[in-house]
Amino acid sequence: EPEVTQTPSHQVTQMGQEVILRCVPISNHLYFYWYRQILGQKVEFLVSFYNNEISEKSEIFDDQFSVERPDGSNFTLKIRSTKLEDSAMYFCASSEGRSYDEQFFGPGTRLTVL
Amino acid sequence: AQKITQTQPGMFVQEKEAVTLDCTYDTSDPSYGLFWYKQPSSGEMIFLIYQGSYDQQNATEGRYSLNFQKARKSANLVISASQLGDSAMYFCAMRGLDTGRRALTFGSGTRLQVQP
Repeated sequence: EPEVTQTPSHQVTQMGQEVILRCVPISNHLYFYWYRQILGQKVEFLVSFYNNEISEKSEIFDDQFSVERPDGSNFTLKIRSTKLEDSAMYFCASSEGRSYDEQFFGPGTRLTVL
Repeated sequence: AQKITQTQPGMFVQEKEAVTLDCTYDTSDPSYGLFWYKQPSSGEMIFLIYQGSYDQQNATEGRYSLNFQKARKSANLVISASQLGDSAMYFCAMRGLDTGRRALTFGSGTRLQVQP
């Protein structure tokens, strides 16, 4: 069964460093998403991406964040200068693009900012 | 704006019994979808079941069913015949269907523990 994959599973970085989180969405899906979950808290939406551009973003997704689809398969989230409060699990998700379609989540990347 | 409320931070259930996880929502969208996800201790998010606001019947997927009461704005998840592997966090989520926005709004989750 097709699935969303994410790399790395765990990333440790120093405050102020740039990190890139990578995702491979399900191949025939058209919408891609990033969510984050701070430890013990609810899952929060960051951004959605469709047709090679951002279609929606939350207040969390400020200028420190960017997304890119560099090729036909990868979808990346870049955090330019990490802060301690960026420590969280970051989930990538994808969906087919039907009006009520479910989003399939990847296993997540745990980001730890020291 | 949308809001999901899950009032049960933790629930216990005996193996083989049924359990109901509560979810209430608030939205100004005339048409919306409700989702339940399972998050085991390993951390991944697993889609379980979907209910559209316009659906006349409650959704079912195997041992999962959704008790949708639109007037009460509730979308409770019912798990029948609980198994030890059902122990996990369960998140209720929603999004509007007419606006073109696809962001899911999640509740704070319920931790379910199935006891042998």
